Amino acid sequence: GENVEQHPSTLSVQEGDSAVIKCTYSDSASNYFPWYKQELGKGPQLIIDIRSNVGEKKDQRIAVTLNKTAKHFSLHITETQPEDSAVYFCAARTQGGSEKLVFGKGTKLTVNP
Amino acid sequence: NAGVTQTPKFQVLKTGQSMTLQCAQDMNHEYMSWYRQDPGMGLRLIHYSVGAGITDQGEVPNGYNVSRSTTEDFPLRLLSAAPSQTSVYFCASRAADTQYFGPGTRLTVL
Repeated sequence: GENVEQHPSTLSVQEGDSAVIKCTYSDSASNYFPWYKQELGKGPQLIIDIRSNVGEKKDQRIAVTLNKTAKHFSLHITETQPEDSAVYFCAARTQGGSEKLVFGKGTKLTVNP
Repeated sequence: NAGVTQTPKFQVLKTGQSMTLQCAQDMNHEYMSWYRQDPGMGLRLIHYSVGAGITDQGEVPNGYNVSRSTTEDFPLRLLSAAPSQTSVYFCASRAADTQYFGPGTRLTVL
């Protein structure tokens, strides 16, 4: 089955700096890669996603890149703000069958003012 | 739209007790799922359903039962609670690619 590795587990940056979180996946059949943000005491919320037929996707300060050959994808947050502080999860899903999402273990991002 | 709702928000059980975690969604989504979240473990899939009357096991199904009699509801039953089931439980529903999570139930088993 699919296995998703996420690094780093914790990340601390200064306000205004960029933050990068990386994930690798094992199943080459996976074709959908979402990123979730989880604030304290809340459920995860989708912030951006990418499909395997696209190499990069951007939404304001957030971007995701995908390298299918290397089977890794990354979340980039530019001009970080204190409200970006949260736990971020990557996930991968294989098309067809049960279409289950497999999650990475999460990255706790702290943006220091 | 209330989205995905879960009850209760907090629950404390004694070992061996049974209980049902409730989950409901008002978005008419066919796909629903249950995850547990433990420190350093991310989100692990317990059970999922692709529609009313259809359920299947996820990564960590032991000790849990589910049923899906309606599109809206997807309850998770703990048959005989164990301390290893102490966790935060999230229900989710999905339309196309986007998965929506509920606010979670924090369960402690003593």
